[in-house]
Amino acid sequence: SAVISQKPSRDICQRGTSLTIQCQVDSQVTMMFWYRQQPGQSLTLIATANQGSEATYESGFVIDKFPISRPNLTFSTLTVSNMSPEDSSIYLCSVETNTGGGYTFGSGTRLTVV
Amino acid sequence: SQKIEQNSEALNIQEGKTATLTCNYTNYSPAYLQWYRQDPGRGPVFLLLIRENEKEKRKERLKVTFDTTLKQSLFHITASQPADSATYLCAPGGYQKVTFGTGTKLQVIP
Repeated sequence: SAVISQKPSRDICQRGTSLTIQCQVDSQVTMMFWYRQQPGQSLTLIATANQGSEATYESGFVIDKFPISRPNLTFSTLTVSNMSPEDSSIYLCSVETNTGGGYTFGSGTRLTVV
Repeated sequence: SQKIEQNSEALNIQEGKTATLTCNYTNYSPAYLQWYRQDPGRGPVFLLLIRENEKEKRKERLKVTFDTTLKQSLFHITASQPADSATYLCAPGGYQKVTFGTGTKLQVIP
């Protein structure tokens, strides 16, 4: 299955600033997914990123707050903009596995906003 | 709205016993259901997928059942080991969309 390199693994950011999270996949994939996992909560899908088109955002998430880039079939970025403490969470990217179903996840970015 | 329920309390079992985790869903007719393992500070790791037309699936010490009438999946780990201690997430899914439960924390006691 695919291997995903996600960075940074963690960061502490000031309120009002932005952080860009990167995900690199070792194979070409059509769709990449971005999730948020708040403490003690389940994973919530933020958006689906397709190469060559705008990302599709889930209800409650908007492009101005979480702009996504997908310049090629192996790479994507998620930016958390104008951060507030409520954005403190773990952010994960994932891709579908090629065989057997399921999704492969990056190791996550633990974001703390102070 | 769709709702996924997993045992919210941690499950503690003795090493060597069978652990059984439950996933119930409502307002939903998933085409398949996935199970993941998540360790602290790590992303989820895919374990098994079972489709709506399958009653049971096995992989080594893992067994998953899927009852579409009861809207329930059971996840079993036989001969449990301390290394199986983790949070286990169920994730019912349909076309290109998967929804995750909050997970059940399993602690296997030596």
